[in-house]
Amino acid sequence: KQEVTQIPAALSVPEGENLVLNCSFTDSAIYNLQWFRQDPGKGLTSLLLIQSSQREQTSGRLNASLDKSSGRSTLYIAASQPGDSATYLCAANYGGSQGNLIFGKGTKLSVKP
Amino acid sequence: NAGVMQNPRHLVRRRGQEARLRCSPMKGHSHVYWYRQLPEEGLKFMVYLQKENIIDESGMPKERFSAEFPKEGPSILRIQQVVRGDSAAYFCASSPPYGPTGSTGNTIYFGEGSWLTVV
Repeated sequence: KQEVTQIPAALSVPEGENLVLNCSFTDSAIYNLQWFRQDPGKGLTSLLLIQSSQREQTSGRLNASLDKSSGRSTLYIAASQPGDSATYLCAANYGGSQGNLIFGKGTKLSVKP
Repeated sequence: NAGVMQNPRHLVRRRGQEARLRCSPMKGHSHVYWYRQLPEEGLKFMVYLQKENIIDESGMPKERFSAEFPKEGPSILRIQQVVRGDSAAYFCASSPPYGPTGSTGNTIYFGEGSWLTVV
């Protein structure tokens, strides 16, 4: 069964700290992996998409890595800010259809000023 | 360019009633996806549609749920005879067609969701 797990479920850090969010997937035959941000009562915003042939992607203060062999992805957030507070979701695509994503339950991040 | 538009944002239905959720994809997007987020659960894929076609409905419950994406107008997720367990946030997403290389490459774009409460 293809599953995606995110640990921890919640994380609280002081402003300015660098942090890592973890995502693991049970089936390494992944097509791509995507990180999203979800604010309370809102939809999802795509942050980074990593294709299976790639090892990492960067956007601003965010860096996502993908290690297929170990079934893991990490999202690194540098110099965290209170505005980064949100739930971060990772989602695996196994190529069934473009939008048939398998989501983790997310990590709820709180950045304290 | 307006994003993915969903309505209603909040819907309350009594048990046994019907719920209809609408989704207008982003301009230029021909692929629509519906997801459900139950309380304390992750998002679960339900269905993938293109205009007038259901491409992948592997995540749809076998009964009471249906989806369509007509040639004209929004995509509609219909839930008949709702039960309390249907209470959830329903998200629609859209994406552009595949690129010429066949690579997905594209991300999908989510709407802000429709929150269904069954009382």
